[in-house]
Amino acid sequence: GAVVSQHPSRVICKSGTSVKIECRSLDFQATTMFWYRQFPKKSLMLMATSNEGSKATYEQGVEKDKFLINHASLTLSTLTVTSAHPEDSSFYICSARSGSDYEQYFGPGTRLTVT
Amino acid sequence: GQSLEQPSEVTAVEGAIVQINCTYQTSGFYGLSWYQQHDGGAPTFLSYNALDGLEETGRFSSFLSRSDSYGYLLLQELQMKDSASYFCAVSPGGGNKLTFGTGTQLKVEL
Repeated sequence: GAVVSQHPSRVICKSGTSVKIECRSLDFQATTMFWYRQFPKKSLMLMATSNEGSKATYEQGVEKDKFLINHASLTLSTLTVTSAHPEDSSFYICSARSGSDYEQYFGPGTRLTVT
Repeated sequence: GQSLEQPSEVTAVEGAIVQINCTYQTSGFYGLSWYQQHDGGAPTFLSYNALDGLEETGRFSSFLSRSDSYGYLLLQELQMKDSASYFCAVSPGGGNKLTFGTGTQLKVEL
């Protein structure tokens, strides 16, 4: 089956620093990748849609200058949380979609803690 | 706006059958998906309904009624490992991005 990896799985950073999270599709080419944020015991909230070779499309209320997304290849998308603050602490999950496949394949998530 | 409502918690005993409902209001509709997520883990795909009716995949079945904007996930022969959160999700347009429901935490007891 399709496998999506994320790195790192956990990261702790100090307030004001930036953190980069990588999302890779390991055995398929992902034309589209998605970035979600999830708070404890809550639903997944879509942050942005990342298409290879083009600018990401951000959901309403998500600051594009704070959450930088780059989708440089068909197997890699990165999310950079810039000038992180404690309120950015959350579980960030990526997913990838291959062509017309309706199923999304999720990464294992990255737990970010900002101190 | 988009909204997908689910019961927050459901408890059932091992071996039983449980139904998790999902009602949705979205600006568009291309299909209803169901995902399972264990604590701290990645959501995994369970089923997808684009048309009305029942889809069966092993112990799990999913139903959709587009006229009622309603669907459900049916889990049979419950096992302890089925304890997890279950999310319905709608593709509001073009089968591309997903809008997730509020989630249902299922607890399976002995």
